[in-house]
Amino acid sequence: SQTIHQWPATLVQPVGSPLSLECTVEGTSNPNLYWYRQAAGRGLQLLFYSVGIGQISSEVPQNLSASRPQDRQFILSSKKLLLSDSGFYLCAWERTRNTGELFFGEGSRLTVL
Amino acid sequence: DQQVKQNSPSLSVQEGRISILNCDYTNSMFDYFLWYKKYPAEGPTFLISISSIKDKNEDGRFTVFLNKSAKHLSLHIVPSQPGDSAVYFCAARGTSYDKVIFGPGTSLSVIP
Repeated sequence: SQTIHQWPATLVQPVGSPLSLECTVEGTSNPNLYWYRQAAGRGLQLLFYSVGIGQISSEVPQNLSASRPQDRQFILSSKKLLLSDSGFYLCAWERTRNTGELFFGEGSRLTVL
Repeated sequence: DQQVKQNSPSLSVQEGRISILNCDYTNSMFDYFLWYKKYPAEGPTFLISISSIKDKNEDGRFTVFLNKSAKHLSLHIVPSQPGDSAVYFCAARGTSYDKVIFGPGTSLSVIP
C-alpha cells in the first residue's frame, strides 16, 4: 500500500540552530513531492516541490532548503533557524500525477524559541 | 500574488442545512480544482476535485461547481453534519506546471 511518513512530529529548536525534517513515501515510484508550511492561523504555503531526484523548485525565498537524495525521500533543511520559521510543516505526494490530488504526511510541528 | 482566494475565513451552519464554501482564482491556466478538509494538528485530506472541462462533480453529500467564466468554484455539503466541522482548503493545479496552490482556508462549524 501507499503511505507517506514524516518526522520528527514535534520539534523545539533555538534560534540559529539547524533543522532537518524528513519525508519518505512508500508504495510508489517517481512521485511528485511537496513541502508546505502552515503558520499559526494561516493557510498552506508552498515551500518546495520536486518532480524527480535532485530536481527542486523553490517557491519562497527564505533560509530553508530542500533536497531529494533518493526517489522517495524529501528533506527540508535550514542551517540557521529564525523565529519566523515556526509552524506546521507538511510533506505531500501527488497520488495521481498532474491532478493536484495530494496525500499528506502527519505533519511536523516546529517551534523556534 | 494570491492565485487562489477564499474570502470567508469562517462559516457557521445548522446541522442538516446546506454548507456552501466559495473559492475564486486568478490563473486561467489551472486545469484541476480541488477541495481538502483539515482537522487541527493533522495533514489535509483530499475531498473532491473537478476538471476544468466540467462544471459539476458530485460525490455523496459533496458537490463542487465550477464557473470558469467567473473563475469561481464552490463546494456544497448537503446535509451538513457536525463531523464536517473543519477547515476547508480550495486548491488548484495546472498541467503545464507542477505546483499545487492552496487558498487560505475557510473554517466551517456545523452546529448541532
